[in-house]
Amino acid sequence: DTAVSQTPKYLVTQMGNDKSIKCEQNLGHDTMYWYKQDSKKFLKIMFSYNNKELIINETVPNRFSPKSPDKAHLNLHINSLELGDSAVYFCASSPRTRVSTGELFFGEGSRLTVL
Amino acid sequence: DQQVKQNSPSLSVQEGRISILNCDYTNSMFDYFLWYKKYPAEGPTFLISISSIKDKNEDGRFTVFLNKSAKHLSLHIVPSQPGDSAVYFCAASKAGTALIFGKGTTLSVSS
Repeated sequence: DTAVSQTPKYLVTQMGNDKSIKCEQNLGHDTMYWYKQDSKKFLKIMFSYNNKELIINETVPNRFSPKSPDKAHLNLHINSLELGDSAVYFCASSPRTRVSTGELFFGEGSRLTVL
Repeated sequence: DQQVKQNSPSLSVQEGRISILNCDYTNSMFDYFLWYKKYPAEGPTFLISISSIKDKNEDGRFTVFLNKSAKHLSLHIVPSQPGDSAVYFCAASKAGTALIFGKGTTLSVSS
């Protein structure tokens, strides 16, 4: 029973297309995140939502739009895809807004390849 | 700017020996540090953490040491096992931000 699940796991698409990645967690956590792991292997925070409300929005192009229909779901929509968007996108959740005494639970990642 | 640095991209160790993975940080406001382990095609999983009020935390074969004056932490795995072969990410936390990760160190444990 997967705690944090992302779909699709692999996505290959052309430049200029629009695509979405979905994330669901069944842990009952209030906070969800999107992280991006680029070719240099850094895991960088993109967005964080707490109970459907955006709380962290790092410097990400506005082509990226997160949507949280409820606290168990956080989807990522990307418009006008560019080559540099190719990366592995990880969804994560945590029981607290401040990941200090707790920790993040990650999904398996969605590998996006833009041709 | 890299606030969390793992300067060794890889480390090779023999089974049974100690593995020491290092991490440096630049922001003195970080007050909580975590290590994550990642296998290929999986998401990172939490391994061990330490608060800035401590200098050591131990969990079985895994021990994390924190040197605040040097802004340095290390993860010790002893004894190392082949199943420990993975990418290890160091991460740091401060109020108002999500976890900030290092680039990871790939550990290979040979039998």
